[in-house]
Amino acid sequence: EDQVTQSPEALRLQEGESSSLNCSYTVSGLRGLFWYRQDPGKGPEFLFTLYSAGEEKEKERLKATLTKKESFLHITAPKPEDSATYLCAVQAPNTDKLIFGTGTRLQVFP
Amino acid sequence: DVKVTQSSRYLVKRTGEKVFLECVQDMDHENMFWYRQDPGLGLRLIYFSYDVKMKEKGDIPEGYSVSREKKERFSLILESASTNQTSMYLCASSPRGQGVNEQFFGPGTRLTVL
Repeated sequence: EDQVTQSPEALRLQEGESSSLNCSYTVSGLRGLFWYRQDPGKGPEFLFTLYSAGEEKEKERLKATLTKKESFLHITAPKPEDSATYLCAVQAPNTDKLIFGTGTRLQVFP
Repeated sequence: DVKVTQSSRYLVKRTGEKVFLECVQDMDHENMFWYRQDPGLGLRLIYFSYDVKMKEKGDIPEGYSVSREKKERFSLILESASTNQTSMYLCASSPRGQGVNEQFFGPGTRLTVL
């Protein structure tokens, strides 16, 4: 069964304290892996798409990487405004549907 | 920029009422989706539409129906609202069948059923 698991469920960081969020997936023939950011009470906001193992994408303090079994979202020197829930999703072959993980809730304190 | 809008940000309804949630996208996307999001359960797909008048059940379709009469509009209908349908409802859209298709989300509707 196709599945996405995110860890940790919650992460508390001091401002400037770099860390990584993990997204493990089991899907045959991954078409794409997506990262979203979701602020409380709002819809998810698209961040990155990764297509194949070894690929990396960067946006400001965020860098997403992909291997054959997992993806990492690295957060370098985070700021309080990076506080949000980060969602990972995968797209399997022959479908336009996505499978979502349950997210990592990140809190960054000044 | 892709824009997905939802008719209400907050909605309060009574048990047994018929509820309509509307979603409109302006990017000419073929695919539209309805999810509900609950703490600890993540996003669960209710229904998916890949074209006008076409629909496919998602993981949790019971108690819901959908309508897609125009390409840009996708409606979710709760035939007889129940308290266990209190949730955040999210609409999304994406292009169809072009390889890797990120979905773009609306702001969500927080529905409370009393």
